[in-house]
Amino acid sequence: NAGVTQTPKFQVLKTGQSMTLQCAQDMNHNSMYWYRQDPGMGLRLIYYSASEGTTDKGEVPNGYNVSRLNKREFSLRLESAAPSQTSVYFCASLIRRGPNQPQHFGDGTRLSIL
Amino acid sequence: LAKTTQPISMDSYEGQEVNITCSHNNIATNDYITWYQQFPSQGPRFIIQGYKTKVTNEVASLFIPADRKSSTLSLPRVSLSDTAVYYCLVGEGPGSSNTGKLIFGQGTTLQVKP
Repeated sequence: NAGVTQTPKFQVLKTGQSMTLQCAQDMNHNSMYWYRQDPGMGLRLIYYSASEGTTDKGEVPNGYNVSRLNKREFSLRLESAAPSQTSVYFCASLIRRGPNQPQHFGDGTRLSIL
Repeated sequence: LAKTTQPISMDSYEGQEVNITCSHNNIATNDYITWYQQFPSQGPRFIIQGYKTKVTNEVASLFIPADRKSSTLSLPRVSLSDTAVYYCLVGEGPGSSNTGKLIFGQGTTLQVKP
């Protein structure tokens, strides 16, 4: 049981390049999330998908797009990468079926944009 | 959305009990309170979740007063390995009024000294 899997783990891009970060969960969770975390800072919500077929903006959606491909997969796309998007990106999923069933996080994708 | 406020940092010594308080003045009736722990270069990890009064598990206790406008995470007898960032989050859990937009606060950096 892998939980939440993010690919790639590391990536270096040049300004203006595009890239898609992949996230998959095998826990049959309904909701999925993308956060970014800048050095020394807390997590900020980029986009989320409360259920399959729906996506909504979080706190910092500018410069990003998402796709909830199916119940398992939720991808994050940078169409034209900028140095300000250098960060660690975390994907999370949540089932919200009962108490003590919180978000499960992936190990993160470390993205550097030169 | 319920916004959370925590102290930015705390220091403690090994063997002491640590209490971290989180304010969430506009918590909704159905919102649960969840605490996460994050080590450097890792995704957040679930510690404890509660709705009211007191919850205890093998690693921590969570105290929630009757008005639910704050909560206190209690870590008994901390060790060096408890040095981490601790986040409280409002809105997860069954029946929450939150449709999915889960916002992290800045977190509390706990430094445990020998």
